[in-house]
Amino acid sequence: SQQGEEDPQALSIQEGENATMNCSYKTSINNLQWYRQNSGRGLVHLILIRSNEREKHSGRLRVTLDTSKKSSSLLITASRAADTASYFCATPPSGSARQLTFGSGTQLTVLP
Amino acid sequence: DGGITQSPKYLFRKEGQNVTLSCEQNLNHDAMYWYRQDPGQGLRLIYYSQIVNDFQKGDIAEGYSVSREKKESFPLTVTSAQKNPTAFYLCASNPRQGVVDTEAFFGQGTRLTVV
Repeated sequence: SQQGEEDPQALSIQEGENATMNCSYKTSINNLQWYRQNSGRGLVHLILIRSNEREKHSGRLRVTLDTSKKSSSLLITASRAADTASYFCATPPSGSARQLTFGSGTQLTVLP
Repeated sequence: DGGITQSPKYLFRKEGQNVTLSCEQNLNHDAMYWYRQDPGQGLRLIYYSQIVNDFQKGDIAEGYSVSREKKESFPLTVTSAQKNPTAFYLCASNPRQGVVDTEAFFGQGTRLTVV
């Protein structure tokens, strides 16, 4: 039961550019989370945004949430080669809020 | 240092064998999860546990089994009934039971290969 879907599947940009990834989900949520995964490693939490919030910032990261469109976006500003990773959105699915379901991710490559 | 430890990092299984993946956390978290990740794919939930001696099936539980005898430990057994077990397995935890409204913490994963 996949809840979130990221778009695009892959994104390649030059260092210093901004990267935007989108996530769409199917049912109502109480929060949406973004995670990062370096190749062959575990996931690291980036930001959690609650359903009553519209925007949240953390350093070079900005997350927006539009509950009317059931979508979220993650913006990474002034990207660096070290930002190269896969990025996933995750939500507790409707009817089973005690677990997190993940999308298939966006593979971001930042070229030096 | 607090965290989640998965072992081993790499595991090889012969066809027909059962293997057990270890997951230990010293974060005093109530909830623990097992996910499977195939190449280029997202995470799929295998099992999760909210408290000791209780666990629920996720989306792809067939061919897997778990136990939660201690709060800090949530081992996953990949049985011979799992026909395609080659994958990357991730263990995660969350501070409390109930609705997941805080960040989850992940281990570094175990890569299982059938030989």
